[in-house]
Amino acid sequence: DIVMTQSPDSLAVSLGERATINCKSSQSVLYSSNNKNYLAWYQQKPGQPPKLLFYWASTRESGVPDRFSGSGSGTDFTLTISSLQAEDVAVYYCHQYYNTPRTFGQGTKVEIK
Amino acid sequence: EVQLVESGGGLVQPGGSLRLSCAASGFTFNNYWMSWVRQAPGKGLEWVANIKEDGGEIYYVDSVKGRFTISRDNARNTLYLQMHSLRAEDTAVYYCARGVYAFDTWGQGILVTVSS
Repeated sequence: DIVMTQSPDSLAVSLGERATINCKSSQSVLYSSNNKNYLAWYQQKPGQPPKLLFYWASTRESGVPDRFSGSGSGTDFTLTISSLQAEDVAVYYCHQYYNTPRTFGQGTKVEIK
Repeated sequence: EVQLVESGGGLVQPGGSLRLSCAASGFTFNNYWMSWVRQAPGKGLEWVANIKEDGGEIYYVDSVKGRFTISRDNARNTLYLQMHSLRAEDTAVYYCARGVYAFDTWGQGILVTVSS
């Protein structure tokens, strides 16, 4: 199974400041035949289901604000919130769909400092 | 509006059974792989199982193999999860989700509690 490890487990960022979440996979999720990274990011607010933010590591889902960005390739990925807003308080998960079983990172909780 | 609505959860004793349903609307259900994902209280997300558009391919996480069965009824636009031999560690909110790769649509989730 591919193990997804996120860092940090939690972070507190001031409003308007940058938040960076890292995700590392235990093996590459880059499929060489199509040069796509089989990696997604989700945001989950309390009491709500997860919401898709990015797929193919860096393709923003429709409606996601452009202060969010996804980057990385192979085994190392990053979710960045360029200017944290109050509504961004949530837990963020990375997810690999390179193979089965699908696996998620343990989550990173983002709070306001 | 694309929507997934789970039902069938509740309290069940260890060793018991439960069947979850997920009613889909607002999209062509039989064009999509579907998954079940669960989240234990206060914990992270765990993928449970998925099923191809026509039901011809099915996969499970090891911890539920032989106990859970995913199925679908495309005529009724409904996804199912039959759960047997339930354990305390199966206690979680169960979500149905759309997609074979990233999950672009999720239901609100249904709570399953396994306890005596």
